Amino acid sequence: DAGVIQSPRHEVTEMGQEVTLRCKPISGHDYLFWYRQTMMRGLELLIYFNNNVPIDDSGMPEDRFSAKMPNASFSTLKIQPSEPRDSAVYFCASSSHRGLAYNEQFFGPGTRLTVL
Amino acid sequence: GEDVEQSLFLSVREGDSSVINCTYTDSSSTYLYWYKQEPGAGLQLLTYIFSNMDMKQDQRLTVLLNKKDKHLSLRIADTQTGDSAIYFCAESIGGSYIPTFGRGTSLIVHP
Repeated sequence: DAGVIQSPRHEVTEMGQEVTLRCKPISGHDYLFWYRQTMMRGLELLIYFNNNVPIDDSGMPEDRFSAKMPNASFSTLKIQPSEPRDSAVYFCASSSHRGLAYNEQFFGPGTRLTVL
Repeated sequence: GEDVEQSLFLSVREGDSSVINCTYTDSSSTYLYWYKQEPGAGLQLLTYIFSNMDMKQDQRLTVLLNKKDKHLSLRIADTQTGDSAIYFCAESIGGSYIPTFGRGTSLIVHP
């Protein structure tokens, strides 16, 4: 398996523009997570899905952020409109809880977002 | 305060042992984890320990768990420059499979 795939790897945009980040989880994984990493706040869980259904979005900073998972192999995180304070590295991770007692999350390489 | 706390930085000399410490607040933690993040990459699970254990060893890595003090440590023997990375402590609680991560400790290994 190629692991968790994220695109784009880098995104530079101007304030006010819409940004869409994409993620393809590992095939067969039933959980998908979106995280944001900054120097100031560390690693923050934004939202997670189980079997394509959003379970907890309490970490989504505000209404400008939205996430979808239309099927088991694809998820998007959208920011509209984007602001400079959204600049961060966004990670997607997936995991499978079938047959394992412990949880290992598999992280993608991240998308580095810069909002000017 | 945060559920999982770690110091932000640790600097060691190549060849020395590194000890990265973590404290957590929830006594019902079931699994505790150490993840490693190399520059420009995502986190990767390094090792984990079940809460009924107090030690786990894997080659150069030793994990110690003190449940009474809610303290977890990761010892890296013979630290190499390739060990330079950010190390995240994480816990999962009871039946939840959702880990809570600390802020990460940046390990800097210098010659």
